Amino acid sequence: GAVVSQHPSWVICKSGTSVKIECRSLDFQATTMFWYRQFPKQSLMLMATSNEGSKATYEQGVEKDKFLINHASLTLSTLTVTSAHPEDSSFYICSAHSVWNSTDTQYFGPGTRLTVL
Amino acid sequence: AQRVTQPEKLLSVFKGAPVELKCNYSYSGSPELFWYVQYSRQRLQLLLRHISRESIKGFTADLNKGETSFHLKKPFAQEEDSAMYYCAPLLLSGGSYIPTFGRGTSLIVHP
Repeated sequence: GAVVSQHPSWVICKSGTSVKIECRSLDFQATTMFWYRQFPKQSLMLMATSNEGSKATYEQGVEKDKFLINHASLTLSTLTVTSAHPEDSSFYICSAHSVWNSTDTQYFGPGTRLTVL
Repeated sequence: AQRVTQPEKLLSVFKGAPVELKCNYSYSGSPELFWYVQYSRQRLQLLLRHISRESIKGFTADLNKGETSFHLKKPFAQEEDSAMYYCAPLLLSGGSYIPTFGRGTSLIVHP
């Protein structure tokens, strides 16, 4: 089946630094990828929709200058948390949208745990 | 506003008992509905979708358009069913269909 990978799986950084998280669809092309944030024991919150070759669409309340998204190819989207602060510590999950046999399916990455000290 | 509601944050049952995880959505159209499951320390994965009318791991979900519900059911819960379950319809937003997650229901199946 389709696989989505994320790298790194866990990152610890100092406050004020920037962190890049990669999301790759390994055996299929994804024109659309989604980035989610999950706080402990809470649901996934959609942050943005990333479309290959165009600007990401951010959800209300998500700072686009803070969370930079680049979808440079059909298999790679990156999320950069700029000038990270402790409140940005969270679990970030990406998903890739695939259409196969006229059926829409989301494939989720394993997530990246970000800890900002 | 379009939204999805999972009223139960936690559902605790004993092994062999029936289980129903509730999901209601507010949407004027006909959304495509999914249930996702996240086992402890694992990635989120698709459990089932309403359009395929399939049964996965003994779970079924019926779309009730009148009640705008898509409850997830299993007649006999197993311990390995313990996980977080998310109802996630694809809702139309800004011209695109976006997955919208409920807050999730934690299912605990006791031995």
